[in-house]
Amino acid sequence: EIVLTQSPGTLSLSPGERATLSCRASQSLTSSYLAWYQQKPGQAPRLLIYGASSRATGIPDRFSGSGSGTDFTLTISRLEPEDFAVYYCQQYVSSPWTFGQGTKVEIK
Amino acid sequence: EVQLLESGGGLVQPGGSLRLSCAASGFTFSSYAMTWVRQAPGKGLEWVSPISGSGGSTYYADSVRGRFTVSRDNSKSTLYLQMNSLRAEDTAVYYCAKAGGFYCGAGSCYCDYWGQGTVVTVSS
Repeated sequence: EIVLTQSPGTLSLSPGERATLSCRASQSLTSSYLAWYQQKPGQAPRLLIYGASSRATGIPDRFSGSGSGTDFTLTISRLEPEDFAVYYCQQYVSSPWTFGQGTKVEIK
Repeated sequence: EVQLLESGGGLVQPGGSLRLSCAASGFTFSSYAMTWVRQAPGKGLEWVSPISGSGGSTYYADSVRGRFTVSRDNSKSTLYLQMNSLRAEDTAVYYCAKAGGFYCGAGSCYCDYWGQGTVVTVSS
């Protein structure tokens, strides 16, 4: 099973700041089969990024994904008030498809 | 517009059964794999069970294998999850989600649309 470790657990930032979230895999993810999701309290997750760097439909360009192999990053260039949420990475290289434990981006 | 609407959740005693449904619209249902993902209270996301577009290929997380059965009716654009021998640790919000391809395999098993979830509580 591929284990995904996200860091930090919590990120305290102000609106307008840049957020950098990390996701590290226990083994190399071939073809960068990694996705990022955003989840707000009481809501379902929303797909932000797939294929490590492709934005999903309707996702603003302030969200970007990068990385390969075992190290991946989600960057939010300038935080908007609606971006404060929990973010999960997920690998889809092999079953069982696994999620990271999440990073909470909170208002400082 | 893609819409996924789950139903069937509720309170059930340990050892009991529930059947979840997910009605889909806004896309060609039979062309895409579907999956169930759950989230225990205050916890992260756990993949439960995907099923291919035809229904011929399924997968189960170790935690539910032998107790849960995923199925679909493409004529009704509906996904199901039959849950038997329920345990307290199955308590969660259950989401249905659309996968990125016909099979939930390498390269396509990410979830591009999600339902709002249905709550399952297993307690005596």
